[in-house]
Amino acid sequence: GQQLNQSPQSMFIQEGEDVSMNCTSSSIFNTWLWYKQEPGEGPVLLIALYKAGELTSNGRLTAQFGITRKDSFLNISASIPSDVGIYFCAGPEPGGGNKLTFGTGTQLKVEL
Amino acid sequence: GAVVSQHPSWVICKSGTSVKIECRSLDFQATTMFWYRQFPKQSLMLMATSNEGSKATYEQGVEKDKFLINHASLTLSTLTVTSAHPEDSSFYICSAHRGGGGTYEQYFGPGTRLTVT
Repeated sequence: GQQLNQSPQSMFIQEGEDVSMNCTSSSIFNTWLWYKQEPGEGPVLLIALYKAGELTSNGRLTAQFGITRKDSFLNISASIPSDVGIYFCAGPEPGGGNKLTFGTGTQLKVEL
Repeated sequence: GAVVSQHPSWVICKSGTSVKIECRSLDFQATTMFWYRQFPKQSLMLMATSNEGSKATYEQGVEKDKFLINHASLTLSTLTVTSAHPEDSSFYICSAHRGGGGTYEQYFGPGTRLTVT
């Protein structure tokens, strides 16, 4: 099946710093979704992207749909302690109906 | 909108017993619901796709007789882990797809932590 690789696997940053992470695929995706999961909770949808090149913001979060359609990026500006969690990218499997493939995740830890 | 609930949030059961987990979409109708399993520090692993009024579609390697799924209405899907064993201990998460419009967003429940002793 599809594999979505996320980079970095984890990052430890200081409060106030900007954060960048990415998600890459070996094949083309028509939709990219970004989720955040906190410990012991289900993932929460942050941003949905539907067009190549699209740039969408949600507060301090900005995500971009790569023009090759094989990658997507998530940026968090001025990180705060509550940004801690695991960020997953996801996209619909080709021919898989509404099934999503999830990325490997990027764990974010924020130092005060 | 797009709130999904799960019940129970955690459960401890003895080996050999069955456990039922409920997933409800509270403010929308879900044509499709999904059940995932997640191990510590790992990504979500899709177990099955549940469509209202029809049989669930299971992913390769998932035993359909062990993980019984029922999607009785557009707002409720249940997962029953039958004859549970310690290796079934995991975090189970459901999600719901609102349907229509060519969108793929899934909205997740808070998860159920299952511990089998």
